[in-house]
Amino acid sequence: DQQVKQNSPSLSVQEGRISILNCDYTNSMFDYFLWYKKYPAEGPTFLISISSIKDKNEDGRFTVFLNKSAKHLSLHIVPSQPGDSAVYFCAASAKEYGNKLVFGAGTILRVKS
Amino acid sequence: NAGVTQTPKFQVLKTGQSMTLQCAQDMNHEYMSWYRQDPGMGLRLIHYSVGAGITDQGEVPNGYNVSRSTTEDFPLRLLSAAPSQTSVYFCASSYSFGTSPYQETQYFGPGTRLLVL
Repeated sequence: DQQVKQNSPSLSVQEGRISILNCDYTNSMFDYFLWYKKYPAEGPTFLISISSIKDKNEDGRFTVFLNKSAKHLSLHIVPSQPGDSAVYFCAASAKEYGNKLVFGAGTILRVKS
Repeated sequence: NAGVTQTPKFQVLKTGQSMTLQCAQDMNHEYMSWYRQDPGMGLRLIHYSVGAGITDQGEVPNGYNVSRSTTEDFPLRLLSAAPSQTSVYFCASSYSFGTSPYQETQYFGPGTRLLVL
């Protein structure tokens, strides 16, 4: 059973608009969450993270929101740019499990110009 | 700085053949790991290492062996390939605190695409 779920396989957004990527998790032991971005034929690269003691973390155009009661996090990209078109993976970890990452299946984001 | 390099980029094997996927990093990272990515499954941890001479199993270790004789290299061995091992394999490295990876510093290689017939 997948502990980290990204229920939208793909998302298409117009350039300049907001992209919202969603992620749900089932394990309440997770205490750290990360988003990775992956271009074709490349490995994933770290984008942004959030600790479970926070509900928001912002880095430029990227903001991650965490709702612990709902076991839900989201990544907002504002404004979206064509270069943001990639696969986005949500990942979670827990100190109790040695901080090993558990990944979601990914969401393909297409930003149309 | 080459970062994390993986060879080969693509490989076709027949069932029962063996091969080694190579991974090397030049960032002096203690923590290295191997993942496989399958459609609809995300990345799953196969094996990891917290330093030279120390390895441990991840979520899906069956059918794979690893060793870590140097800080730089972390090869993944398939002893007898099966069609279920058709996947894209990513190697990653990161700084660590104790035996835990420092996730924000985790760098992934470009991947090896493996097809087992």
